[in-house]
Amino acid sequence: NAGVTQTPKFQVLKTGQSMTLQCAQDMNHEYMSWYRQDPGMGLRLIHYSVGAGITDQGEVPNGYNVSRSTTEDFPLRLLSAAPSQTSVYFCASRPAGTVKSNQPQHFGDGTRLSIL
Amino acid sequence: AQKVTQAQTEISVVEKEDVTLDCVYETRDTTYYLFWYKQPPSGELVFLIRRNSFDEQNEISGRYSWNFQKSTSSFNFTITASQVVDSAVYFCALSGKLGGTSYGKLTFGQGTILTVHP
Repeated sequence: NAGVTQTPKFQVLKTGQSMTLQCAQDMNHEYMSWYRQDPGMGLRLIHYSVGAGITDQGEVPNGYNVSRSTTEDFPLRLLSAAPSQTSVYFCASRPAGTVKSNQPQHFGDGTRLSIL
Repeated sequence: AQKVTQAQTEISVVEKEDVTLDCVYETRDTTYYLFWYKQPPSGELVFLIRRNSFDEQNEISGRYSWNFQKSTSSFNFTITASQVVDSAVYFCALSGKLGGTSYGKLTFGQGTILTVHP
């Protein structure tokens, strides 16, 4: 049972380059999210999806795109990398639930991204 | 808007000491969820506990205990008889609505770095 798998684990980019961070989960979870972690700021939500074909913006969406063509995959695209996007990125998933059964999110191990 | 504040940026203790990590939150929702996550030096996020707003019972799990007080909007975390393996960054988080009535958006505090010395 792999859980939430993120690839790559590390990446160095030059300013202006584009790339896609991959996230896959094998738990058939409806909800998937991307967060970025910066020192002293905790984790902040970039984009999220409540199901295949449905995505929406979180707190810090600028510079990132997402799509959700399948339940399993939720890639995060950096269109033109900037040094301000240097961060650790976490993908998370959780099953849908009612108001009284809010399940905890399962996090991937993170992708450490440096933009030079 | 939702907000989670962990006022303690760093805490340093000696092994076997008890330590309490503070968490204060703000939300307009009447139903909400609170979480604690641990991030060890290896970097992954480990879920520790979930608490919903209509259950104010405190909880104990081994050396860990949590004190939820709705009246003061606090959800504090205590480690009893700390160990070196407890050294990590600890995050408090609040779950808010993702449209409609579904919950999924986590608002995190800034994190508290706990160092336990032998």
